[in-house]
Amino acid sequence: AQKITQTQPGMFVQEKEAVTLDCTYDTSDPSYGLFWYKQPSSGEMIFLIYQGSYDQQNATEGRYSLNFQKARKSANLVISASQLGDSAMYFCAMRGLYGNKLVFGAGTILRVKS
Amino acid sequence: DTGVSQDPRHKITKRGQNVTFRCDPISEHNRLYWYRQTLGQGPEFLTYFQNEAQLEKSRLLSDRFSAERPKGSFSTLEIQRTEQGDSAMYLCASSSLNTEAFFGQGTRLTVV
Repeated sequence: AQKITQTQPGMFVQEKEAVTLDCTYDTSDPSYGLFWYKQPSSGEMIFLIYQGSYDQQNATEGRYSLNFQKARKSANLVISASQLGDSAMYFCAMRGLYGNKLVFGAGTILRVKS
Repeated sequence: DTGVSQDPRHKITKRGQNVTFRCDPISEHNRLYWYRQTLGQGPEFLTYFQNEAQLEKSRLLSDRFSAERPKGSFSTLEIQRTEQGDSAMYLCASSSLNTEAFFGQGTRLTVV
């Protein structure tokens, strides 16, 4: 079974600054994938970034990067140069080797201040 | 293709009534998922289809819930004899093998 823990219920960041959203995971699968999704108030889940457990380098997608520390079982999302439009709920999720479903954490609400 | 489409976006129903939601996945995706999200929580997996075959169901999916995906295209999720505890956002997602899941905008169900 997989488990995702997001310990920050809410975060504030000043516009144009960087912010790190924490995610730790637990799984016994030898191979797995880690995902981050953004959910604005409108409700849709928007895919941001993916990290495979055997990827040698940390994933990056524009202003998003994933700080993957396999030994610590952490997959933190770093958003650089925050924008007001980044205000949303952020979910960390994982998919196991044999699983097809995503297991989500409880999420972190991010508020960007001007 | 404009992405995953869900209908309706909002549904208010009286307790005890049946409701049905529809999901149209991205056309080239053979995998389809249903999730339920309650306020302040992350989505929870309900069921998964590969083409028309329902391959996995969560224990959350009581016998009042049924999902179908005839012909491997759109899918429906029916809730019979709705209860107040069924009030939630129901999210549909689709994917291909080893790709990320793309989500629809969800159907928000309110049972009164």
